Amino acid sequence: DTGVSQDPRHKITKRGQNVTFRCDPISEHNRLYWYRQTLGQGPEFLTYFQNEAQLEKSRLLSDRFSAERPKGSFSTLEIQRTEQGDSAMYLCASSLVPNEKLFFGSGTQLSVL
Amino acid sequence: DAKTTQPTSMDCAEGRAANLPCNHSTISGNEYVYWYRQIHSQGPQYIIHGLKNNETNEMASLIITEDRKSSTLILPHATLRDTAVYYCIVRGNTGGFKTIFGAGTRLFVKA
Repeated sequence: DTGVSQDPRHKITKRGQNVTFRCDPISEHNRLYWYRQTLGQGPEFLTYFQNEAQLEKSRLLSDRFSAERPKGSFSTLEIQRTEQGDSAMYLCASSLVPNEKLFFGSGTQLSVL
Repeated sequence: DAKTTQPTSMDCAEGRAANLPCNHSTISGNEYVYWYRQIHSQGPQYIIHGLKNNETNEMASLIITEDRKSSTLILPHATLRDTAVYYCIVRGNTGGFKTIFGAGTRLFVKA
């Protein structure tokens, strides 16, 4: 069990650029979640997958955000035309059905200048 | 998912028990109480969960009231490394599968 890994740990980008983050869940876990967290707030749910199917997206997730999990293993989260308000920690978590315990990665800290 | 209410912050002396309360008065019969904590610059870490019986593991104990409207997370001998934000979450195991976090309780363990 190597845990959930996220890459990169930090990303600095200019407004208007596209960025992509990667998450590698615990290998046998079939559910994968993306959260966003800003300073002083709890993690905010963005979307989740069961295997390769994206089953729910938050209404807060704008059209500039897209997530994929093509083979039911790793996942990517892309943000197009970044805005300063996108600056946050992006957290990935995984779990194994029916166990609802979430295992989180250390996150990707995005700074949009 | 039911909502929870937690104090914004708490202090605890090192070596003493830390008792973190959580109110979840609208909890329904099939919803579990989960606790996570988040140490600065890390992702949240699962601590413990329960339905209606008290639970204990190597990290903490969870005491759920008989009416299930509130619970307490107990760290029996708090250390400086337990300084973190603690999240109490109520969620069912059917229907929607997302775990919703509130603002949590910021616990400061002092030497």
